[in-house]
Amino acid sequence: AQSVTQLGSHVSVSEGALVLLRCNYSSSVPPYLFWYVQYPNQGLQLLLKYTSAATLVKGINGFEAEFKKSETSFHLTKPSAHMSDAAEYFCAVSTTSYDKVIFGPGTSLSVIP
Amino acid sequence: EPEVTQTPSHQVTQMGQEVILRCVPISNHLYFYWYRQILGQKVEFLVSFYNNEISEKSEIFDDQFSVERPDGSNFTLKIRSTKLEDSAMYFCASSEEGTGGGNEQFFGPGTRLTVL
Repeated sequence: AQSVTQLGSHVSVSEGALVLLRCNYSSSVPPYLFWYVQYPNQGLQLLLKYTSAATLVKGINGFEAEFKKSETSFHLTKPSAHMSDAAEYFCAVSTTSYDKVIFGPGTSLSVIP
Repeated sequence: EPEVTQTPSHQVTQMGQEVILRCVPISNHLYFYWYRQILGQKVEFLVSFYNNEISEKSEIFDDQFSVERPDGSNFTLKIRSTKLEDSAMYFCASSEEGTGGGNEQFFGPGTRLTVL
């Protein structure tokens, strides 16, 4: 069965510091991987996705993620945090085997001025 | 930019009552989904819908739940007899093609359902 784990339910960084949100997946078949962001009282917005092309994926708002098959990881990074990055971040996986997205538990990012 | 819309934004109902949550997917999309997020928990898949039938459903999606595309634009989720544990944020999503190809699902803003 496919699953997603996110290390750290809550991460705090200082404004201007590196953002690193961790995601590990479990999948018996090659996965498609996604990062979604949820701002307070809003829906889910796609940040970026991996679909077996380049292993380093660039997304919106300066975020990027690297797919590492050997580590079954898809960590999200941003070189310099902005106050506006404060939100809930969800890593998610899908495969060709089924028509749904499985979400991780989420990581709440706080940015300290 | 096209977006998925959902109504109402907040629904309060009494236990045992029926509720219908409404969604308008992006117009050229063919695949439709419902997810829910209980407060403080992760987003969970409920059901996917394509070509006027359910393509996949989770164990959460029991006989109390049903989905329908009553016309060319709306996609609804009905809960026949609500329980306290149905209180959650319900998200509708749509995609142009199936997620099996790694295609993006576009999510609506959600409907917060509160069952009293």
